[in-house]
Amino acid sequence: GAVVSQHPSRVICKSGTSVKIECRSLDFQATTMFWYRQFPKQSLMLMATSNEGSKATYEQGVEKDKFLINHASLTLSTLTVTSAHPEDSSFYICSARDPRGDNSPLHFGNGTRLTVT
Amino acid sequence: AQSVTQLGSHVSVSEGALVLLRCNYSSSVPPYLFWYVQYPNQGLQLLLKYTSAATLVKGINGFEAEFKKSETSFHLTKPSAHMSDAAEYFCAVTLSGSARQLTFGSGTQLTVLP
Repeated sequence: GAVVSQHPSRVICKSGTSVKIECRSLDFQATTMFWYRQFPKQSLMLMATSNEGSKATYEQGVEKDKFLINHASLTLSTLTVTSAHPEDSSFYICSARDPRGDNSPLHFGNGTRLTVT
Repeated sequence: AQSVTQLGSHVSVSEGALVLLRCNYSSSVPPYLFWYVQYPNQGLQLLLKYTSAATLVKGINGFEAEFKKSETSFHLTKPSAHMSDAAEYFCAVTLSGSARQLTFGSGTQLTVLP
């Protein structure tokens, strides 16, 4: 079964509103989670690394004030797209690594399809 | 810096035929290599990974990949394609197992023809 749960799976919002996406690790504690953005027919681009109890690390070119990340607990990270615009429409995916075991792979959520009208 | 190149954005095979998805990597140090599969509107699922142990890696759903250092390749194969294999496949590389440095290829869309 899924070990990383992402919610919602789809969201449609109006331009100018904010949208929150949740990413939960279900049976392990994740001090670090990752947020990706995927455009149609393209690969995943890392947006930011979410660190529990501290500030997120953003990749170059990603607006911190636009994409707010909060990692308030060891099992939950949230990505808030603030003042969304149509160009923010995309597929957002989170991932987390189970710290138990060596070289454990990343577990991915099922993604959130954001459409801004 | 590390990178992966997936040759062929689209691959079509007949059901029952061999699947070969190509991935070449570039890395200054021994890499960790992964293949992921993505079904429509879903996240990524790990198929298999290479972490410097055996060069032939067996994964889920009958897939396997062989790490060839001399060719800097990590091609994904499956002897007999099934309709359910139709999906997007991503090769990825990281150094020292660092998740933050996980770099994905551009993806290959696999179509399985009846």
